[in-house]
Amino acid sequence: AQTVTQSQPEMSVQEAETVTLSCTYDTSESDYYLFWYKQPPSRQMILVIRQEAYKQQNATENRFSVNFQKAAKSFSLKISDSQLGDAAMYFCAYRSALGTSGSRLTFGEGTQLTVNP
Amino acid sequence: NAGVTQTPKFRILKIGQSMTLQCTQDMNHNYMYWYRQDPGMGLKLIYYSVGAGITDKGEVPNGYNVSRSTTEDFPLRLELAAPSQTSVYFCASSKGQGASLNTEAFFGQGTRLTVV
Repeated sequence: AQTVTQSQPEMSVQEAETVTLSCTYDTSESDYYLFWYKQPPSRQMILVIRQEAYKQQNATENRFSVNFQKAAKSFSLKISDSQLGDAAMYFCAYRSALGTSGSRLTFGEGTQLTVNP
Repeated sequence: NAGVTQTPKFRILKIGQSMTLQCTQDMNHNYMYWYRQDPGMGLKLIYYSVGAGITDKGEVPNGYNVSRSTTEDFPLRLELAAPSQTSVYFCASSKGQGASLNTEAFFGQGTRLTVV
């Protein structure tokens, strides 16, 4: 079974600065997808960014980018020019490409990000 | 453009009571999921369905039941509520297999359930 680990329960960053959230995962599969979801106080789960394991190029979405290290099974999220609206719980998630077990998402335990003005 | 709709948003149950959490999606997604999120924790899969009439257990199915009679609806039933079932419950849906696996899962707004 796959596992996802987020070793930073809490992080803080000054507004306009850059912060990196860590995520590692364990899998024996070679093809899979990785996601970062944001959960603000409203509880809504919002997709931030996704990465296909077969792609070497790191995904970017505006101020959000990832550092995907497949051999190390590491998938960190970098937030540049942090804004107050970035404050939220961030979850790293794994999905197998095999389509087994209903293509479920396996989540890490989350990192609570605080943005200081 | 409703997406995934869950009802109710909040509920307080007494120990031993039963209830059904409703979930419906209007995106014609084959795959649907129920997760629970305990305080300060990630989401854990309770049950999932890959299509109408097909359901299967996730990581934490004890104390719950599901059904999937239509593509749109995936209700979660709690029988004999216990304090350990106090949690936030999320319903989600996604397209399914193949190339669409890289697409996001869409989540409902969650149901905060307290069992006292």
